[in-house]
Amino acid sequence: GNSVTQMEGPVTLSEEAFLTINCTYTATGYPSLFWYVQYPGEGLQLLLKATKADDKGSNKGFEATYRKETTSFHLEKGSVQVSDSAVYFCALFSGAGSYQLTFGKGTKLSVIP
Amino acid sequence: DAGVIQSPRHEVTEMGQEVTLRCKPISGHNSLFWYRQTMMRGLELLIYFNNNVPIDDSGMPEDRFSAKMPNASFSTLKIQPSEPRDSAVYFCASSLTMDNEQFFGPGTRLTVL
Repeated sequence: GNSVTQMEGPVTLSEEAFLTINCTYTATGYPSLFWYVQYPGEGLQLLLKATKADDKGSNKGFEATYRKETTSFHLEKGSVQVSDSAVYFCALFSGAGSYQLTFGKGTKLSVIP
Repeated sequence: DAGVIQSPRHEVTEMGQEVTLRCKPISGHNSLFWYRQTMMRGLELLIYFNNNVPIDDSGMPEDRFSAKMPNASFSTLKIQPSEPRDSAVYFCASSLTMDNEQFFGPGTRLTVL
């Protein structure tokens, strides 16, 4: 079956530090990959996505590249801000008859001034 | 657009009581998803609908859980009778079609005492 594994948190960084949150996946077929962000007390929001190998998704300074050879979709940001403090979820959508997102467990990021 | 609307935002009830969670999807979206989020299990898909018809309810944990979508603008998730292990945050999400981006509501935090 499909699965997503992401690095466990929590992750605490100082403002302007570099962020990497690792995500690897197993899936049948050719999935689409997503990063969602959940701010405190809110629902999940799509942060970025990539639909095929070597695609790079980017938004709000965050980037992730779909690496089929390593089955990875690591999230990066060059300089984090306090406002980036949230829980980040890696997810995949494989279609292929099952229209559901498979989520990782989430990584809590805290950015301190 | 108001986004996906869920009510109530918080629900505290006693074991054995019936609980009904409500969701209004984004207007024009044809697919609706119910998720449950817990610390132990992360985000789990419970059931999803397309054009008001349940497509896959394999994630519904027990017969105590039921979901309906009587029309395109309203869905309910009911737990009867509720148990303490049902305590979680329940999210509703909608999308234009089953394979499009899902937009999440703010969630209902359920506590069963």
